[in-house]
Amino acid sequence: GAGVSQSPRYKVAKRGQDVALRCDPISGHVSLFWYQQALGQGPEFLTYFQNEAQLDKSGLPSDRFFAERPEGSVSTLKIQRTQQEDSAVYLCASSSRGGGLAETQYFGPGTRLLVL
Amino acid sequence: SQQGEEDPQALSIQEGENATMNCSYKTSINNLQWYRQNSGRGLVHLILIRSNEREKHSGRLRVTLDTSKKSSSLLITASRAADTASYFCATDLSNYQLIWGAGTKLIIKP
Repeated sequence: GAGVSQSPRYKVAKRGQDVALRCDPISGHVSLFWYQQALGQGPEFLTYFQNEAQLDKSGLPSDRFFAERPEGSVSTLKIQRTQQEDSAVYLCASSSRGGGLAETQYFGPGTRLLVL
Repeated sequence: SQQGEEDPQALSIQEGENATMNCSYKTSINNLQWYRQNSGRGLVHLILIRSNEREKHSGRLRVTLDTSKKSSSLLITASRAADTASYFCATDLSNYQLIWGAGTKLIIKP
């Protein structure tokens, strides 16, 4: 079906505000990844879901970051009490199987978060 | 933390020339992937090369892998304006984590 979609595409938040970022993966894809990309840098891994199970959340930078994928499709990344250092592009990717990394990841366009 | 390091950081060439980018990494890998990112299409997978492979082709792309030197190169032949983008290598740190370099910014001049 259609590619990975993310919303909103842009988000401006005041410091201390909570934000929620949404990812719609490709239909039927088992694996879903969240990345954080700072300006001029490559993406950095945040967390990984296989269906609804969050198998790895070791990349989440603090306990203010929380991700869920309750029905194994749409995922939400929530950031509580946003700080200026949270400003980045948040990328979501999905892949068709749950076999780890030996397959193509399809990326969404990202959500650009600016915390003032 | 970022494992891969791309070299050069930026590259500007004339349309029609070949572009070569290099990637070095620190730990043993199972696979190495190259991705392209531009403002129009976001991050797009280009090619995956497994640790037991030495070379792989896809259209105008040629990727080599030297596991003894922990390095890979991406060659784009007959470059086009549409190849203007940032190029990243990514390696598998664990079962689920891809570790990315900072990228090479490629500019193709008409």
